Amino acid sequence: SQQGEEDPQALSIQEGENATMNCSYKTSINNLQWYRQNSGRGLVHLILIRSNEREKHSGRLRVTLDTSKKSSSLLITASRAADTASYFCATGPPGGGSQGNLIFGKGTKLSVKP
Amino acid sequence: DAGVTQSPTHLIKTRGQQVTLRCSPKSGHDTVSWYQQALGQGPQFIFQYYEEEERQRGNFPDRFSGHQFPNYSSELNVNALLLGDSALYLCASSFTGTNQPQHFGDGTRLSIL
Repeated sequence: SQQGEEDPQALSIQEGENATMNCSYKTSINNLQWYRQNSGRGLVHLILIRSNEREKHSGRLRVTLDTSKKSSSLLITASRAADTASYFCATGPPGGGSQGNLIFGKGTKLSVKP
Repeated sequence: DAGVTQSPTHLIKTRGQQVTLRCSPKSGHDTVSWYQQALGQGPQFIFQYYEEEERQRGNFPDRFSGHQFPNYSSELNVNALLLGDSALYLCASSFTGTNQPQHFGDGTRLSIL
């Protein structure tokens, strides 16, 4: 079953603009992760934010986490055509332990036009 | 430093057949997880292997089984294939422990005719 739900399902922007994707989830979590998937390829890990963190940055990426609202957002600043991909949020299980049981949403399909 | 490698990249089978997919984890990783990704969907967790044992399992029937070898590589076996098993099968490896990101291979595209 899906836990995370990304919003919007699809997003089309011009190069240089910022892209914001949102993720909502249902149960308590240990961490939340964002992944990117280019068409037909595997997933690339972007960033992991722990349940006791509120914001995290990595290069042009900014992730926020609001555990009271069970939601997260991924901001990509100054987007490039190479950022065109599907973006997934995935939640890790509560209580620590195994990281195997990542629960993914259906993803946001981002298209960045040159 | 090689990442996660999976073989084969593509596979075509018919209903009722059996298939074995293979995965070599990223160097140093000891935990392997398998996911099924249907077209247009997010990956669904199948199971995870650590120390050659199945540690966690998702909501998949017993037709799906796996194995992990002493060198940490892993196999996914699917018996009695159904049309609905057509999907991209992804292998991910990680260090064991909390808050460890998973590293994915490019997957095996399985088509059932």
